[in-house]
Amino acid sequence: QKEVEQDPGPLSVPEGAIVSLNCTYSNSAFQYFMWYRQYSRKGPELLMYTYSSGNKEDGRFTAQVDKSSKYISLFIRDSQPSDSATYLCAMPLGAGNMLTFGGGTRLMVKP
Amino acid sequence: GAGVSQSPSNKVTEKGKDVELRCDPISGHTALYWYRQSLGQGLEFLIYFQGNSAPDKSGLPSDRFSAERTGGSVSTLTIQRTQQEDSAVYLCASSQLTGFNEKLFFGSGTQLSVL
Repeated sequence: QKEVEQDPGPLSVPEGAIVSLNCTYSNSAFQYFMWYRQYSRKGPELLMYTYSSGNKEDGRFTAQVDKSSKYISLFIRDSQPSDSATYLCAMPLGAGNMLTFGGGTRLMVKP
Repeated sequence: GAGVSQSPSNKVTEKGKDVELRCDPISGHTALYWYRQSLGQGLEFLIYFQGNSAPDKSGLPSDRFSAERTGGSVSTLTIQRTQQEDSAVYLCASSQLTGFNEKLFFGSGTQLSVL
């Protein structure tokens, strides 16, 4: 079993929909939780990070962490075609900010 | 440059040949990371550098893989006697420091195809 699991998708939604992307993880030692967005043929870019449990909002994006369930979510409101990308959750463990990534969920937002 | 630069962007090689992949991090970033992304897989950590030293090499898949960093800047990932299973996108990232919430800046990667 991988430490971090994501549904690979693809997830196809119409423009304007609310999108929910999720990750489950197995290591209770994870404290920081990150979401990266990766466009085709590009490297990932950090979208949001949260520490411990709770919610964090940034514009149309909300990150949610439930440590008791080992479950994190990223919500995208009013989704746009420009949000079409692969979304990867990631957690740092150990020294040096080494990140453990989920496999990524491919999102397609149709105009 | 403004971002992390990797070269070449694409590399096709024959099984058994050696390849070198280059990464130019953002100027002033002390930490540098190599990851591998295979089709349908998440990013797999390979190695990181703090300055010129590599405290953790445990992610390197085999002894055919090695990496070095010189002058606290450019890094080279070398794969000897390439195998078909080495085919993947090799991503380099850098960050100012190595704290847990340090933002990683990724390059666009080198697509390696081993025939």
